[in-house]
Parts: sequence; C-alpha cells; structure tokens
Amino acid sequence: QLQLQESGPGLVKPSETLSLTCTVSGGSISSSSYYWGWIRQPPGKGLEWIGSIYYSGSTYYNPSLKSRVTISVDTSKNQFSLKLSSVTAADTAVYYCARLVVTTPDYWGQGTLVTVSS
Amino acid sequence: DIQMTQSPSSLSASVGDRVTITCQASQDISNYLNWYQQKPGKAPKLLIYDASNLETGVPSRFSGSGSGTDFTFTISSLQPEDIATYYCQQYDNLPPTFGQGTKLEIK
Repeated sequence: QLQLQESGPGLVKPSETLSLTCTVSGGSISSSSYYWGWIRQPPGKGLEWIGSIYYSGSTYYNPSLKSRVTISVDTSKNQFSLKLSSVTAADTAVYYCARLVVTTPDYWGQGTLVTVSS
Repeated sequence: DIQMTQSPSSLSASVGDRVTITCQASQDISNYLNWYQQKPGKAPKLLIYDASNLETGVPSRFSGSGSGTDFTFTISSLQPEDIATYYCQQYDNLPPTFGQGTKLEIK
C-alpha cells in the first residue's frame, strides 16, 4: 500500500525558508505513471496547489508562489522536497504531499502543520 | 486562474437524506473535475474523478455529474460517516484550483 509521509520543522520564522520532505513508501517515485506534488491548506480554509514534479526533475509551480518555491526529487531516497522562501504568517498552513495522476491527487500524506511565527 | 464556486457553503441533513452539492467553474472545463471528501484532521480523499467516475472502493451512494461549467455531487442516502467537508477541483487548466468547500453536518 502506497504511503506518503511529510517531515520537517513545524515552526519557521518570518522571512526564513520553509523546508519539507515527503518520503514515499510502498511504491517507486521513479514510476513513469505519476507526478508528485505539494498542496497546502491554511487553518480553517480551502486547498491551494503549490506545485508538482516528475521523477525526471521536470517541475510546475503555481504562478502565485513561483518566485518563492522550489520542488526537488531524490530518486535514490524515494523522496521529494519543498522549499518556500521568504515566508510570512500567510504561509501558515497544513502542507500535504501527494501522488498525482497528472494533476489529480489520488494518494495524500497525512499533512504537517507549519506555523510561521517569531 | 479558473475560479470554482461551490454551493452551499454548509449543509445540514438527516441520515438517509439525498444530498446535493453544486460546483460552478468560471469557464468551460469539459469534464476535468474531481470531488474530494475531507474529514476533520485528515487529508482529502478522492471520491470522483472526470466528473462522474467513482474511485475504486468508494461507496456507490456517491455520484457526480455535469460538464462544461456546472457540476453536481450527490450522496443518495446520507450516512453518519459522510460527515465531512467536500471539495471540487478542476484540472483543465493550470494551476489546478479547488472550490471553497461544502461542510456537511447531520441534522
């Protein structure tokens, strides 16, 4: 059974860089059938697409975040990662990693809350 | 970005009721629409893809319909375990975008 698990600091200071890793188990991140992505949800609010990556390293970023986002993949560790720079309180959210059938998330991690605060 | 508008924002219904949620896209998205269920503290779960296709393992009381700009999600007979927030998502254009959610409660 495919499982995704987010990991990383739960507290980040304003203006710093948020860094999260998603570890995939029960399947290969190098599968040609899937993309891998990040989606976030501010507390009590809706869902926002952050971006996605293919195992080859090809990426797509939401234009609203593109200047601050980097998504990378490490196929040797079966992991992919998110970096979001210059964070503010507006970036406080639960961050989910997901397996994507192109742009449909069909498997999700449990999510991790990242709070931006000094 | 394509805007997705769900209605109602919240809904209270009784066990056994037929429940309907609508989702309207700001432009034609063909049938490139998903529906998700999110229970408190949990990740969303894919229920319906391509507007009307039931994901494997999802109970048949859930269904979806529509194309173009107007879509409907239906629970034919509400069960207590269906209490959740439901989201639509379009994937016709990048970036993919979600509706604001419909919170379903038991009356």
